[in-house]
Amino acid sequence: KAGVTQTPRYLIKTRGQQVTLSCSPISGHRSVSWYQQTPGQGLQFLFEYFSETQRNKGNFPGRFSGRQFSNSRSEMNVSTLELGDSALYLCASSRDRKNTGELFFGEGSRLTVL
Amino acid sequence: AQSVTQLDSHVSVSEGTPVLLRCNYSSSYSPSLFWYVQHPNKGLQLLLKYTSAATLVKGINGFEAEFKKSETSFHLTKPSAHMSDAAEYFCVVSGDTGNQFYFGTGTSLTVIP
Repeated sequence: KAGVTQTPRYLIKTRGQQVTLSCSPISGHRSVSWYQQTPGQGLQFLFEYFSETQRNKGNFPGRFSGRQFSNSRSEMNVSTLELGDSALYLCASSRDRKNTGELFFGEGSRLTVL
Repeated sequence: AQSVTQLDSHVSVSEGTPVLLRCNYSSSYSPSLFWYVQHPNKGLQLLLKYTSAATLVKGINGFEAEFKKSETSFHLTKPSAHMSDAAEYFCVVSGDTGNQFYFGTGTSLTVIP
């Protein structure tokens, strides 16, 4: 079956702009999580959505937001981009919210902010 | 609070020799623990997981890890390294609820032919 699909794979923005990233989870998976990966900070949890509701949120400013649709697809938005937002943004899906479960990751969206 | 420490940022081994990637964790409860691998320009893939069953966990591609509660460790091992094992490895601990997980900073494994 198809894996987790993230679009776009690469994008370049300038400071002050906003960006929207999309994630389509594996069919049947209802939980979608987002992570930011940078060389200095590693992978940091952004937020988790399940049944169209945000269930957990990491320690990021309000410029980072997300949503989940009824088909479980998710989007995340970053407004007023800063240079430090340059990163690989990874989406992960899982069937449910059991913390013993496996996360299935997409290949990521690489954002460069100039 | 949960945290994960990967003790080595880089490990280099010769092909055919053993691999040891070290991970210590801190948790206020009994967590689930995972190892993920990330090949260049790829997403992360689960290698193995510990969820309070057997303390020695076997994963894919010949990797295994042992959960040692007394040492709060979950080290990843493989008897014989292959060139295809060269990648970034992440140790992960679960949060107390839902799908919130805490990642270590990663260990980059180089395999020398």
